[in-house]
Amino acid sequence: AQSVSQHNHHVILSEAASLELGCNYSYGGTVNLFWYVQYPGQHLQLLLKYFSGDPLVKGIKGFEAEFIKSKFSFNLRKPSVQWSDTAEYFCAVNAGYGNKLVFGAGTILRVKS
Amino acid sequence: DTAVSQTPKYLVTQMGNDKSIKCEQNLGHDTMYWYKQDSKKFLKIMFSYNNKELIINETVPNRFSPKSPDKAHLNLHINSLELGDSAVYFCASSQNTVKGNEQFFGPGTRLTVL
Repeated sequence: AQSVSQHNHHVILSEAASLELGCNYSYGGTVNLFWYVQYPGQHLQLLLKYFSGDPLVKGIKGFEAEFIKSKFSFNLRKPSVQWSDTAEYFCAVNAGYGNKLVFGAGTILRVKS
Repeated sequence: DTAVSQTPKYLVTQMGNDKSIKCEQNLGHDTMYWYKQDSKKFLKIMFSYNNKELIINETVPNRFSPKSPDKAHLNLHINSLELGDSAVYFCASSQNTVKGNEQFFGPGTRLTVL
């Protein structure tokens, strides 16, 4: 069965610090990979996704993620975080039948102003 | 405009009761999903419907019965509620079942079973 691991459950950063959130998945076949974000009191929203091609994917709000197939990883990065990036971030993999998403446990990011 | 809406937002009930959660999407999508987020924040798919037909049914107790009266609605009925059913339930929709289509999520329904 597919699974997704997110290494850090809580991350606290100061504004302007760089961010990297780890995500590893287990699935041997072709995958589509996603990062979703949930701002306080809001819906889950798509940040970015990888289907194929360039392994470096750019998303909204200055986020990017790199797919490294050999490491089964899809880490999320942002060079300089802002207070408004405070949210919970979920990595997800889409594999197998239908459009089912398998999510990681989420990482809560708190950015101190 | 709310793309995917759920009612109620909060639901507190006693063990053994039967309750329903409603979901509606106004995006014109033909595929809808229910996910459960447990106390450890893991989001797991429960069901998926495409054009009112059940296409994904994970290992979910048969006390949970989804119903899709039309493409825009996917309701979740839960019989004989148990303490372990306490969770946040998220509805989502996507344009179709093609793998990789973005899923749009509702705000969630926090169910507490006492």
